[in-house]
Amino acid sequence: SYVLTQPPSVSVAPGETAKITCGGNNIGSKSVHWYQQRPGQAPVLVIYYDTDRPSGIPERFSGSNSGNTATLTISRVEAGDEADYYCQVWDSNSDHYVFGTGTKVTVL
Amino acid sequence: QVRLVESGGGVVQPGRSLRLSCAASGFTFSSYTLHWVRQAPGKGLEWVAVLSFDGSHKYYADSVKGRFTISRDNSKNTLYLQMNSLTAEDTAVYFCARGISGGSFDNWGQGTLITVSS
Repeated sequence: SYVLTQPPSVSVAPGETAKITCGGNNIGSKSVHWYQQRPGQAPVLVIYYDTDRPSGIPERFSGSNSGNTATLTISRVEAGDEADYYCQVWDSNSDHYVFGTGTKVTVL
Repeated sequence: QVRLVESGGGVVQPGRSLRLSCAASGFTFSSYTLHWVRQAPGKGLEWVAVLSFDGSHKYYADSVKGRFTISRDNSKNTLYLQMNSLTAEDTAVYFCARGISGGSFDNWGQGTLITVSS
């Protein structure tokens, strides 16, 4: 089965840039989606189709995808960005949907 | 606006069954693929099952295949998850989510907690 690997945690100071990676075999050939989940809340889609932002998501959130790594970038980090972030893809070989292991972003 | 509301959660003994419901509103229910996703306490997200807009295609995670059944009633705007032979490993918050093109989930319910315990 397809596996997506994320770093368990990322720490960043307010105003700085946070980069969260998502590793998978030839992930660049797939569409990657990213979700933000604050404690006790449901996930929220923040990036879809590698780079697109749903309406209402700040431009500070951006994504990229190439080779074996997809990246979610949060610019000018704010305290409210502190949350867990998950990448996700659809595996066409199995018709299964796969989530990454998740990354906890801490704002210092 | 899009709204998804799960219900049916609670405490259930190992080996027993439970059915979850997800009531939808604010969009054309019969036009969308729908999913169940779960999250064990303190753990990450795990996709559980998907059902196409017309009910003709359904797929399951290996961890639940043969025990769980996803279904929908487009006349009632409701998604279901029938869960049989439950084990402690099925303890989790269960979310329903709307699927869109590209395989992402653009709207989620708030979830319902299932605790499997004797």
